[in-house]
Amino acid sequence: GAVVSQHPSWVICKSGTSVKIECRSLDFQATTMFWYRQFPKQSLMLMATSNEGSKATYEQGVEKDKFLINHASLTLSTLTVTSAHPEDSSFYICSARDGRGDTEAFFGQGTRLTVV
Amino acid sequence: GQNIDQPTEMTATEGAIVQINCTYQTSGFNGLFWYQQHAGEAPTFLSYNVLDGLEEKGRFSSFLSRSKGYSYLLLKELQMKDSASYLCAATDSNYQLIWGAGTKLIIKP
Repeated sequence: GAVVSQHPSWVICKSGTSVKIECRSLDFQATTMFWYRQFPKQSLMLMATSNEGSKATYEQGVEKDKFLINHASLTLSTLTVTSAHPEDSSFYICSARDGRGDTEAFFGQGTRLTVV
Repeated sequence: GQNIDQPTEMTATEGAIVQINCTYQTSGFNGLFWYQQHAGEAPTFLSYNVLDGLEEKGRFSSFLSRSKGYSYLLLKELQMKDSASYLCAATDSNYQLIWGAGTKLIIKP
């Protein structure tokens, strides 16, 4: 199946700093990428949907100025957590589709963010 | 509103069969996915159903009834490695995935 590479797998950062997470589709063009957050023992929560070349659409309650998403090319999307706080500690997962809404979403391996 | 319901946790014995149910209510419907997620890892795709009926794929099968808003994932010949969370996700009229909370499956020897 298609491969989505997410980097880094885990990161520890200090409060107030920013962290960038990359999501790359390696063998297909991802016209749409999704960013999810998952707290322990909870389901995936969609944060935002990004389409290549346009602004991301954020879910209600997700601060767009805090979680900056850039989808500059058909193979790369980035999520930057700005001014991170301990409550931002979570598992962040990206997924990508090749443009057809009825196809499966391919997931990156996830990034475990710990803010200390 | 849009809602997905599935049991929180199930326990089964190695070698046995287990059925994980999922009911959904969405604004429009464009198919239902089942994903497997091991702790600390990203979900991996198991199945996709958009038409009524049973789709069999090896030890795993998935069933859909659109009229009932119901799906199940059937796992046969359970192995210890099947211990994971199983996520049900329905796609709405905009093809957006609506996720269930996941069912934690515990396999005992």
